[in-house]
This record gives sequence, C-alpha cells and structure tokens, in this order.
Amino acid sequence: GESVGLHLPTLSVQEGDNSIINCAYSNSASDYFIWYKQESGKGPQFIIDIRSNMDKRQGQRVTVLLNKTVKHLSLQIAATQPGDSAVYFCAEELSNDYKLSFGAGTTVTVRA
Amino acid sequence: DTGVSQNPRHKITKRGQNVTFRCDPISEHNRLYWYRQTLGQGPEFLTYFQNEAQLEKSRLLSDRFSAERPKGSFSTLEIQRTEQGDSAMYLCASSFQEHGDYEQYFGPGTRLTVT
Repeated sequence: GESVGLHLPTLSVQEGDNSIINCAYSNSASDYFIWYKQESGKGPQFIIDIRSNMDKRQGQRVTVLLNKTVKHLSLQIAATQPGDSAVYFCAEELSNDYKLSFGAGTTVTVRA
Repeated sequence: DTGVSQNPRHKITKRGQNVTFRCDPISEHNRLYWYRQTLGQGPEFLTYFQNEAQLEKSRLLSDRFSAERPKGSFSTLEIQRTEQGDSAMYLCASSFQEHGDYEQYFGPGTRLTVT
C-alpha cells in the first residue's frame, strides 16, 4: 500500500483566498518530504521541501508544515491565484533511500 | 532550456511492439530516476542511476523493461513486447547529490499508449 496519501482528492478555492492541502504519511522512518505541483501534460514541478528535523518552512507564497507526532504534512498557499490550479502531490523519501514515494494527489481548482 | 528533457513526448504503439524512450537530465546531475504515472495517480518509482550505475530497480520493473545510462549522462528506457497495461506517463527526474541536496527535477514525461 501507499505510505503517503492526501486527505482530499479535490479542493475548490476562491481566487485570493488561502489554500490548505493536507497529506498523511505512515512511515515514521521518512526524513524528507516534498510538495510537487503538476499541471496538465507536464511533469511534477518542485514547490517546497522540508526535512524531518524541521516543523515549518516558508517559501514564496507557500508554507509547509510537518507534524511528526501525527505524521501529517500540509501545504499552505497564500492568496491563491488562477495559475495555482493543478494537481498537488506530497512525496516522502526514506533516509538514504533516494527514491520518492508519492500519494495520489489533490486537484486544486481556483474559482475566479 | 536547461531542464530535464524527454523524447518522444507521445508514443502510440501496438501491443507486442518494442519502444524506447530517452531522457536527458540536467547537465552534471549525477542521479537519474525513472517513474511511471497512471491517470489520477502519483508517480511510482521504477529505477535510478548514480552516474552510469543502476543502483535500484522496483518490483514494477518487469523483465520486459530495461534501462541504461551508458555514459552517465542521458538514459534510455526500453519496453519490450508492450502490453496494454504499460500505457502510462513515463517520467524522468534528475538530481545532484551533494551536501544533502535531494531535490529531484522532473522532465515533461513520455506518454505511452499501447493499442
């Protein structure tokens, strides 16, 4: 079975609002987590990453939160824009394992 | 464009035929990965190379699949005797493993349709 998964398959957001995308993982040995954005017909695009020794990391308009106690990862997008419409995947990497394990993804649709 | 490139972008083939895909990683990236993605799912790991050495293969990679990276630069993924279940997007990614930099950069993928 999958060790990484997302809580909701779809998310509809009003333009300008903040988005929160959630992800649960089950492998406590994972020590590196990444959020990817995938637009139709394209490969996954790196958004932000976080290591297990951190609980929060901020980028441009995005924040990733890691709660190791409950094995939960979230991606917050501030002031969601139409260009943010895509499928978002969380992925995990086991320590020294190098390969990524992806969840099924959340499709984010931004309403004008 | 200095990103990961993949060719062809689309391939339609008849069941039983062989196909080969190419991936050109970001220059000087020492690691190269192949993933497969079916509709509505996240990518699944197939195999990865460090330089020219193939270090790990997933159980998903049956004996009909073979991947090479002969000079530690570009890589090819060949599928022999294709089956309809092989229809998927085949993604390549590369990374430069140094000082804990793990970020994998993905290419646009090759979409395979087996009829």
